[in-house]
Amino acid sequence: AQKITQTQPGMFVQEKEAVTLDCTYDTSDPSYGLFWYKQPSSGEMIFLIYQGSYDQQNATEGRYSLNFQKARKSANLVISASQLGDSAMYFCAIRGTSYGKLTFGQGTILTVHP
Amino acid sequence: GAVVSQHPSRVICKSGTSVKIECRSLDFQATTMFWYRQFPKKSLMLMATSNEGSKATYEQGVEKDKFLINHASLTLSTLTVTSAHPEDSSFYICSADGTLDTQYFGPGTRLTVL
Repeated sequence: AQKITQTQPGMFVQEKEAVTLDCTYDTSDPSYGLFWYKQPSSGEMIFLIYQGSYDQQNATEGRYSLNFQKARKSANLVISASQLGDSAMYFCAIRGTSYGKLTFGQGTILTVHP
Repeated sequence: GAVVSQHPSRVICKSGTSVKIECRSLDFQATTMFWYRQFPKKSLMLMATSNEGSKATYEQGVEKDKFLINHASLTLSTLTVTSAHPEDSSFYICSADGTLDTQYFGPGTRLTVL
């Protein structure tokens, strides 16, 4: 079984500041992948970043970085230099090699203030 | 990157009618596709896994006779909501399987049942 927990229903950040969105997970699969997606009001799911369970280094993609702490089972997303266009819902998800399907967390609504 | 399309993007229908939603992988072949349902400001809930040439695997609690899934080719999966009722109104999103670190999402279909 897989489970993702996002404990922040909503987050607010000032433009140009950094923000961390929390994500903890649980899985019985020895090998798994962690994903972050952004969903703006249009509804499309935009892939942001991926971290494999055996990756030694934390993943980074432009302004996005994933703070992966395997022992704590956490995979927090850090967005640096927030922009107004970052306002959206953000989902953390997990996928195990045994299961194939993605399991999503509850989501965090991020609002960036000017 | 790979593109997944969904059609229609929005549909309004009368209670009791059936609605078909198409999910196509445009530039790659997708052996496996997934169908999700999402209520406003909520997470994505996996409804079923669609495998080309075989029966779909439904998640617990999803009515197979209500939500018919067909994956007749490597580029097309369809979801038919039969005898739709207002409680079926929702946002339906499909995704196509890539490698372990990728899953490509369609833009979603907003269904409103009057």
